[in-house]
Amino acid sequence: NAGVTQTPKFRILKIGQSMTLQCTQDMNHNYMYWYRQDPGMGLKLIYYSVGAGITDKGEVPNGYNVSRSTTEDFPLRLELAAPSQTSVYFCASSPPWGAKGELFFGEGSRLTVL
Amino acid sequence: KNEVEQSPQNLTAQEGEFITINCSYSVGISALHWLQQHPGGGIVSLFMLSSGKKKHGRLIATINIQEKHSSLHITASHPRDSAVYICAVRGGTYGGATNKLIFGTGTLLAVQP
Repeated sequence: NAGVTQTPKFRILKIGQSMTLQCTQDMNHNYMYWYRQDPGMGLKLIYYSVGAGITDKGEVPNGYNVSRSTTEDFPLRLELAAPSQTSVYFCASSPPWGAKGELFFGEGSRLTVL
Repeated sequence: KNEVEQSPQNLTAQEGEFITINCSYSVGISALHWLQQHPGGGIVSLFMLSSGKKKHGRLIATINIQEKHSSLHITASHPRDSAVYICAVRGGTYGGATNKLIFGTGTLLAVQP
């Protein structure tokens, strides 16, 4: 049981390049999330999904896209990287909210856009 | 003003001290999470609570829904407790809970030997 796995852990991009952050969970969780964490700021929700085929925007979706073709995978796509997207990205998953709606986070992906 | 405020922002303690980290929020919530983030590391969920008190080892979390306040206590603190502690609230009432969390900016705790 690996939990939530994110790749890559580190990446440097040039302005205008594209990349995909991968996120996989093996806990059969319906809910998955992408957050970004900037210095001195709380985590901000980029996109979330309540199940395969369903995604929705969070607080800061501009410049990103997601897909959820399976329960396990929730990749985050950056189409045209900008310096403002330099951040640490966390993927998380949880069972449906309720008594056991605990959050599980990946290790994070540190992205630098130069 | 942030919807979730944590205090203090930074805390230095000596090993063995009793530590309290506070979280106040201004929205109606269905649950509150306490998370731990080690330097350069991932984020681990410590507690999820919607009322009362929970205890896990040396960690105790309490919540007062009426006062919109939660505290995280660490008894007999140890240098390995050094981390950022993050409070996050899940908005809405239980029956109509949303899927989104609002995060505080975290409390950086350093426990010195």
